[in-house]
Amino acid sequence: NAGVTQTPKFQVLKTGQSMTLQCAQDMNHNSMYWYRQDPGMGLRLIYYSASEGTTDKGEVPNGYNVSRLNKREFSLRLESAAPSQTSVYFCASSALLGSNQPQHFGDGTRLSIL
Amino acid sequence: AQSVSQHNHHVILSEAASLELGCNYSYGGTVNLFWYVQYPGQHLQLLLKYFSGDPLVKGIKGFEAEFIKSKFSFNLRKPSVQWSDTAEYFCAVKDTDKLIFGTGTRLQVFP
Repeated sequence: NAGVTQTPKFQVLKTGQSMTLQCAQDMNHNSMYWYRQDPGMGLRLIYYSASEGTTDKGEVPNGYNVSRLNKREFSLRLESAAPSQTSVYFCASSALLGSNQPQHFGDGTRLSIL
Repeated sequence: AQSVSQHNHHVILSEAASLELGCNYSYGGTVNLFWYVQYPGQHLQLLLKYFSGDPLVKGIKGFEAEFIKSKFSFNLRKPSVQWSDTAEYFCAVKDTDKLIFGTGTRLQVFP
């Protein structure tokens, strides 16, 4: 069972470069999420998508854009990477936004911005 | 908006010791609470969840948590930890349609 798949697993960028992180889920979930995880700060929500065709800002959306390409895929784009965006990025999905169903997480993308 | 506090940032225990990790959320009403675990190099996995009913919730791998409404708490417990429990533990509360995570507690268990 693949669950939530993120690519790439690791990436190093230079300041100002752009990059798209990919996420796909095979559980037929409606809702998808992007988090960043930083030491001492836990997970913070960047953007989420309640359903195909909709996206909303989370707690820390600045510097990011997202696309919900279809029900399976939810990508995160850094248009002009900054060192402050060095982090581990997790994608997650759940059956239905606001439901009691738990979120399922991908393995993460470790991103370093030099 | 809801917030979650995990006051234990780093806990070090020997195998067979008992564990209790604190979690407090900011305000009451109907709450949905979760504990997730992240083993080294892996993604977050759900340990247990509370929605309603019995305030003592049993999870996987011998973990349990108790919801105490009067204390706004949802502490995680395990009577006897193992080396394989070494991981980071996150408490989370559902806020309308999103999850709010605590900052995490890093648990190290030594043989």
